[in-house]
Amino acid sequence: GAVVSQHPSWVICKSGTSVKIECRSLDFQATTMFWYRQFPKQSLMLMATSNEGSKATYEQGVEKDKFLINHASLTLSTLTVTSAHPEDSSFYICSVGGKVADTQYFGPGTRLTVL
Amino acid sequence: AQKITQTQPGMFVQEKEAVTLDCTYDTSDQSYGLFWYKQPSSGEMIFLIYQGSYDEQNATEGRYSLNFQKARKSANLVISASQLGDSAMYFCALRKGRRALTFGSGTRLQVQP
Repeated sequence: GAVVSQHPSWVICKSGTSVKIECRSLDFQATTMFWYRQFPKQSLMLMATSNEGSKATYEQGVEKDKFLINHASLTLSTLTVTSAHPEDSSFYICSVGGKVADTQYFGPGTRLTVL
Repeated sequence: AQKITQTQPGMFVQEKEAVTLDCTYDTSDQSYGLFWYKQPSSGEMIFLIYQGSYDEQNATEGRYSLNFQKARKSANLVISASQLGDSAMYFCALRKGRRALTFGSGTRLQVQP
Protein backbone atom coordinates (compact mmCIF):
# COMPACT_ATOMS: atom_id res chain seq x y z
CA GLY A 1 0.00 0.00 0.00
CA ALA A 2 0.90 3.66 -0.21
CA VAL A 3 3.33 5.10 2.29
CA VAL A 4 2.37 8.49 3.67
CA SER A 5 4.70 10.66 5.70
CA GLN A 6 4.07 13.77 7.73
CA HIS A 7 6.47 16.40 8.94
CA PRO A 8 6.93 17.43 11.63
CA SER A 9 5.70 14.66 13.91
CA TRP A 10 5.26 17.16 16.68
CA VAL A 11 5.57 20.91 17.06
CA ILE A 12 5.28 23.40 19.88
CA CYS A 13 4.74 27.03 19.00
CA LYS A 14 3.79 30.30 20.56
CA SER A 15 0.34 31.77 20.21
CA GLY A 16 0.08 33.98 17.14
CA THR A 17 2.65 32.18 15.05
CA SER A 18 2.01 30.07 11.96
CA VAL A 19 2.84 26.42 11.59
CA LYS A 20 3.18 24.42 8.38
CA ILE A 21 2.55 20.69 8.29
CA GLU A 22 3.59 18.61 5.29
CA CYS A 23 1.93 15.46 4.06
CA ARG A 24 3.75 13.41 1.45
CA SER A 25 2.62 10.41 -0.50
CA LEU A 26 5.94 8.62 -0.99
CA ASP A 27 5.06 6.03 -3.59
CA PHE A 28 1.66 7.00 -4.92
CA GLN A 29 0.48 9.97 -6.93
CA ALA A 30 -2.48 11.39 -5.09
CA THR A 31 -4.82 13.85 -6.74
CA THR A 32 -6.74 14.00 -3.49
CA MET A 33 -5.55 14.10 0.08
CA PHE A 34 -7.62 14.52 3.22
CA TRP A 35 -6.82 16.45 6.38
CA TYR A 36 -8.31 15.40 9.69
CA ARG A 37 -8.10 16.83 13.19
CA GLN A 38 -8.37 14.84 16.39
CA PHE A 39 -8.77 16.45 19.79
CA PRO A 40 -7.79 14.42 22.87
CA LYS A 41 -10.10 11.50 23.57
CA GLN A 42 -12.18 12.29 20.50
CA SER A 43 -12.60 10.89 17.03
CA LEU A 44 -11.08 12.08 13.78
CA MET A 45 -12.99 14.89 12.12
CA LEU A 46 -12.49 15.80 8.50
CA MET A 47 -11.24 19.35 8.06
CA ALA A 48 -10.76 19.59 4.33
CA THR A 49 -10.16 17.77 1.09
CA SER A 50 -7.01 18.80 -0.68
CA ASN A 51 -7.18 18.70 -4.47
CA GLU A 52 -4.05 18.83 -6.60
CA GLY A 53 -3.95 21.94 -8.72
CA SER A 54 -7.14 23.46 -7.36
CA LYS A 55 -8.61 24.93 -4.22
CA ALA A 56 -9.24 22.78 -1.22
CA THR A 57 -12.75 21.95 -0.11
CA TYR A 58 -13.38 22.77 3.53
CA GLU A 59 -15.88 21.21 5.87
CA GLN A 60 -18.50 23.34 7.50
CA GLY A 61 -17.12 25.24 10.46
CA VAL A 62 -13.49 25.06 9.33
CA GLU A 63 -12.03 28.49 8.58
CA LYS A 64 -10.27 28.38 5.24
CA ASP A 65 -8.32 31.55 5.99
CA LYS A 66 -6.97 30.05 9.17
CA PHE A 67 -6.16 26.60 7.84
CA LEU A 68 -4.44 27.15 4.52
CA ILE A 69 -4.08 24.10 2.34
CA ASN A 70 -1.82 23.86 -0.66
CA HIS A 71 -1.63 20.80 -2.90
CA ALA A 72 0.97 21.84 -5.41
CA SER A 73 2.02 18.41 -6.59
CA LEU A 74 0.71 14.88 -6.76
CA THR A 75 2.81 13.88 -3.79
CA LEU A 76 2.67 16.84 -1.44
CA SER A 77 -0.05 18.67 0.44
CA THR A 78 0.61 21.24 3.13
CA LEU A 79 -1.58 22.52 5.92
CA THR A 80 -0.65 25.86 7.44
CA VAL A 81 -2.24 26.85 10.71
CA THR A 82 -2.09 30.63 10.66
CA SER A 83 -2.02 32.74 13.83
CA ALA A 84 -2.27 29.65 15.96
CA HIS A 85 -4.02 29.78 19.31
CA PRO A 86 -4.10 27.29 22.18
CA GLU A 87 -7.48 25.98 21.01
CA ASP A 88 -5.78 24.86 17.78
CA SER A 89 -3.71 22.41 19.77
CA SER A 90 -4.61 19.04 18.35
CA PHE A 91 -3.46 15.99 16.43
CA TYR A 92 -3.50 16.65 12.70
CA ILE A 93 -3.44 13.66 10.40
CA CYS A 94 -3.57 13.38 6.64
CA SER A 95 -4.65 10.53 4.45
CA VAL A 96 -4.43 9.47 0.84
CA GLY A 97 -7.15 7.54 -0.92
CA GLY A 98 -6.05 4.55 -2.90
CA LYS A 99 -6.99 3.75 -6.45
CA VAL A 100 -9.70 1.43 -5.29
CA ALA A 101 -12.38 2.17 -2.76
CA ASP A 102 -11.09 -0.25 -0.19
CA THR A 103 -7.89 1.60 0.55
CA GLN A 104 -7.06 4.72 2.47
CA TYR A 105 -3.62 5.33 3.86
CA PHE A 106 -2.89 7.57 6.81
CA GLY A 107 0.17 9.53 7.70
CA PRO A 108 1.61 9.14 11.20
CA GLY A 109 0.10 12.46 12.32
CA THR A 110 1.43 15.74 13.69
CA ARG A 111 0.83 16.76 17.28
CA LEU A 112 0.53 20.53 17.55
CA THR A 113 0.78 22.31 20.88
CA VAL A 114 0.21 26.05 20.97
CA LEU A 115 1.40 27.80 24.10
CA ALA B 1 -25.61 12.49 5.41
CA GLN B 2 -23.55 9.61 6.68
CA LYS B 3 -23.25 8.64 10.30
CA ILE B 4 -21.34 6.01 12.22
CA THR B 5 -22.31 5.02 15.76
CA GLN B 6 -20.12 3.15 18.21
CA THR B 7 -22.03 2.71 21.43
CA GLN B 8 -19.24 1.20 23.53
CA PRO B 9 -16.88 3.86 24.86
CA GLY B 10 -14.77 1.22 26.58
CA MET B 11 -14.46 -2.55 26.61
CA PHE B 12 -12.48 -5.01 28.68
CA VAL B 13 -11.51 -8.46 27.55
CA GLN B 14 -9.36 -11.19 29.00
CA GLU B 15 -6.29 -12.20 27.10
CA LYS B 16 -6.93 -15.05 24.63
CA GLU B 17 -10.67 -14.43 24.60
CA ALA B 18 -12.71 -13.06 21.72
CA VAL B 19 -14.32 -9.62 21.77
CA THR B 20 -16.90 -7.89 19.58
CA LEU B 21 -16.83 -4.16 19.00
CA ASP B 22 -20.13 -2.75 17.80
CA CYS B 23 -20.66 -0.40 14.89
CA THR B 24 -23.86 0.75 13.22
CA TYR B 25 -24.09 3.12 10.33
CA ASP B 26 -26.56 5.23 8.48
CA THR B 27 -26.29 6.09 4.82
CA SER B 28 -28.63 6.51 1.90
CA ASP B 29 -25.98 5.36 -0.55
CA GLN B 30 -26.18 1.92 -2.13
CA SER B 31 -22.45 1.60 -2.68
CA TYR B 32 -20.14 2.25 0.24
CA GLY B 33 -17.28 0.80 2.19
CA LEU B 34 -16.80 0.10 5.87
CA PHE B 35 -13.44 0.23 7.56
CA TRP B 36 -12.02 -0.58 10.96
CA TYR B 37 -8.88 1.12 12.23
CA LYS B 38 -6.82 0.63 15.35
CA GLN B 39 -5.19 3.64 16.98
CA PRO B 40 -2.60 2.91 19.67
CA SER B 41 -1.33 5.62 21.99
CA SER B 42 1.21 6.69 19.36
CA GLY B 43 -1.66 8.05 17.29
CA GLU B 44 -1.04 6.22 14.05
CA MET B 45 -4.08 4.84 12.29
CA ILE B 46 -3.61 1.16 11.55
CA PHE B 47 -5.93 -0.33 8.95
CA LEU B 48 -7.50 -3.59 10.11
CA ILE B 49 -10.25 -4.66 7.76
CA TYR B 50 -12.56 -3.53 4.97
CA GLN B 51 -16.05 -4.56 3.90
CA GLY B 52 -17.70 -3.39 0.70
CA SER B 53 -21.43 -2.94 0.67
CA TYR B 54 -21.81 -5.41 -2.17
CA ASP B 55 -19.51 -8.02 -0.70
CA GLU B 56 -21.56 -11.11 0.01
CA GLN B 57 -19.12 -12.66 2.41
CA ASN B 58 -17.94 -11.21 5.69
CA ALA B 59 -14.41 -9.91 5.52
CA THR B 60 -11.67 -11.62 7.49
CA GLU B 61 -8.04 -10.64 8.09
CA GLY B 62 -6.15 -12.94 10.40
CA ARG B 63 -7.64 -12.56 13.89
CA TYR B 64 -10.03 -9.88 12.70
CA SER B 65 -13.39 -10.54 11.16
CA LEU B 66 -16.22 -8.23 10.31
CA ASN B 67 -19.77 -9.29 11.06
CA PHE B 68 -21.61 -7.43 8.33
CA GLN B 69 -25.39 -7.31 8.56
CA LYS B 70 -26.49 -5.02 5.78
CA ALA B 71 -30.20 -5.01 6.56
CA ARG B 72 -29.48 -3.97 10.13
CA LYS B 73 -26.74 -1.57 8.97
CA SER B 74 -24.23 -3.01 11.36
CA ALA B 75 -20.56 -3.85 10.86
CA ASN B 76 -19.21 -5.27 14.08
CA LEU B 77 -15.54 -6.11 14.47
CA VAL B 78 -14.66 -9.42 16.06
CA ILE B 79 -11.17 -9.91 17.43
CA SER B 80 -10.37 -13.50 18.25
CA ALA B 81 -7.74 -14.65 20.74
CA SER B 82 -7.10 -11.19 22.15
CA GLN B 83 -3.54 -10.18 22.88
CA LEU B 84 -2.16 -7.54 25.20
CA GLY B 85 -1.02 -5.59 22.15
CA ASP B 86 -4.61 -5.26 21.03
CA SER B 87 -5.22 -2.65 23.73
CA ALA B 88 -5.97 0.54 21.80
CA MET B 89 -8.74 2.74 20.42
CA TYR B 90 -10.74 1.21 17.63
CA PHE B 91 -12.61 3.26 15.07
CA CYS B 92 -15.27 2.21 12.63
CA ALA B 93 -15.52 4.34 9.49
CA LEU B 94 -17.73 4.70 6.43
CA ARG B 95 -16.70 5.81 2.98
CA LYS B 96 -18.48 6.36 -0.31
CA GLY B 97 -16.32 6.07 -3.37
CA ARG B 98 -13.17 8.09 -3.03
CA ARG B 99 -14.53 10.45 -0.46
CA ALA B 100 -13.05 10.93 2.98
CA LEU B 101 -13.94 8.64 5.82
CA THR B 102 -16.62 9.38 8.36
CA PHE B 103 -15.55 8.01 11.72
CA GLY B 104 -17.43 6.78 14.73
CA SER B 105 -16.58 7.98 18.22
CA GLY B 106 -14.38 4.99 18.89
CA THR B 107 -14.13 2.20 21.45
CA ARG B 108 -11.23 1.88 23.86
CA LEU B 109 -10.32 -1.76 24.24
CA GLN B 110 -8.28 -2.94 27.17
CA VAL B 111 -6.95 -6.48 27.19
CA GLN B 112 -6.32 -7.84 30.64
CA PRO B 113 -3.75 -10.55 31.39
